[in-house]
Amino acid sequence: QSVLTQPPSVSGAPGQRVTISCTGSSSNIGARYDVHWYRQLPGTAPKLLIYGSSYRASGVPDRFSGSKSGTSASLAISGLQAEDEADYYCQSYDNSLRGGVFGGGTKVTVL
Amino acid sequence: QVQLQESGPGLVKPSETLSLVCTVSGYSISSGYYWGWIRQPPGKGLEWIGSFYHSRGTYYNPSLKSRLTISLDTSKNLFSLRLNSVTAADTAVYYCARSGIQLWDRVDPWGQGTLVTVSS
Repeated sequence: QSVLTQPPSVSGAPGQRVTISCTGSSSNIGARYDVHWYRQLPGTAPKLLIYGSSYRASGVPDRFSGSKSGTSASLAISGLQAEDEADYYCQSYDNSLRGGVFGGGTKVTVL
Repeated sequence: QVQLQESGPGLVKPSETLSLVCTVSGYSISSGYYWGWIRQPPGKGLEWIGSFYHSRGTYYNPSLKSRLTISLDTSKNLFSLRLNSVTAADTAVYYCARSGIQLWDRVDPWGQGTLVTVSS
């Protein structure tokens, strides 16, 4: 059971826009800690995608965007491409656990 | 360019101790930033294990704290993970990684990861 809740999967046709939610609580996202997003391809380490809730990491296309409000955050992928198929994870900090917390991950499928 | 590389046994027997080393190149671990470990059981999500900042101390996941030790060797620019009394539930890919100057900063970069299987 992950501290941050993500949908297990989302899907969309090429060119469409999909969003991935990341729901936390008052001790993590709601406590105004940043949310970071990572993309993981099969058999590889996660790679930073979005940091500080809305800033794209170096080399990340502007099709990817992040936002945060209250106790939740979202990652949006517009103009969906086949290469976007991957697992996506959100991450924040929890002041009750005094450490990092991750979402359970969301698998993006391009139809 | 900062690079991290995990190393250690790929197979550990139940009840024994899991030991891994993360060798860092391109940056001195005693110069700043949080450094730590994250794991991922096969087919599952990511779990933060623990992190340290050279001048601030070490922080452990409460669920692992009683079995866990993270230590550093600044002369060799590496840090280590020791997890005692392992069970099959500790089977995972273990990643070492760098965070920012605060414990809540982004994790970047990551090592490539190393699979550790707990089995007799």
